[in-house]
Amino acid sequence: NAGVTQTPKFQVLKTGQSMTLQCAQDMNHNSMYWYRQDPGMGLRLIYYSASEGTTDKGEVPNGYNVSRLNKREFSLRLESAAPSQTSVYFCASRDGLAGVGEQYFGPGTRLTVT
Amino acid sequence: AQSVTQLDSQVPVFEEAPVELRCNYSSSVSVYLFWYVQYPNQGLQLLLKYLSGSTLVKGINGFEAEFNKSQTSFHLRKPSVHISDTAEYFCAVRGSARQLTFGSGTQLTVLP
Repeated sequence: NAGVTQTPKFQVLKTGQSMTLQCAQDMNHNSMYWYRQDPGMGLRLIYYSASEGTTDKGEVPNGYNVSRLNKREFSLRLESAAPSQTSVYFCASRDGLAGVGEQYFGPGTRLTVT
Repeated sequence: AQSVTQLDSQVPVFEEAPVELRCNYSSSVSVYLFWYVQYPNQGLQLLLKYLSGSTLVKGINGFEAEFNKSQTSFHLRKPSVHISDTAEYFCAVRGSARQLTFGSGTQLTVLP
C-alpha cells in the first residue's frame, strides 16, 4: 500500500496564478483532510471531508476550495495564489468508522508564491 | 473550543540523556490526545495516543506519555534519546469538534 500520496512535491507560483494540489489514499478511509504547516504555528486545518460527497471548512479556509472526487481522492485548489499561501500542505486520511482512528499523513507539498 | 500549548519550541539534549516534551491542552469535554513526530522533509506519523484507560501510554521508538487530567497535560518522555530521535514533535487533541487541533511543535535536537 502506498498510503497517502500527494502531487506535486514542490511548486512555485506567481501571485494570481491558480493550481490544484492532488491527494489520494489507498486505505479505503472515509475521512480526508487538508492542512497547512507554517513555522511556529503547527498544522492548521483548511478543509476536511468526513465522507465521500461532503466537505466542510476548517480553521483557515479562505482562498481555498476543495473537491472530494471519490472515496480515494481529495484535491485542494488555489484559485488566485497569494504570497500568504506560501506554506507546506499536508493531506491526511482517517478511517472514521473505526472509532477514534489515527490520521495518516502524506509527504507534503511545498508551495512558494512569489 | 479546544487548544494545545507546547511550552518549548526547541529542546536540545545530549545523546543517551532523558527528555520530556511538554504539552498542555484545554477543552470543555473529554478529549483524545496524540503525539506525532515529523522527520525532516516528511509527513507526520503517530507516536502514541491516549483514548481512555491507563493514563500511561507507550508508543513507538521507546517513547511514552502520561495523561494528567487534573493538570490538563500530556507530556512525552523518553529515558534515553538517540541521534535518530532528532525531529519535530507535535501534540494534538481531539475534543467535541471531532477534528484534531495541533500544538505549534517542539523541535528536539539530540547532540552527540
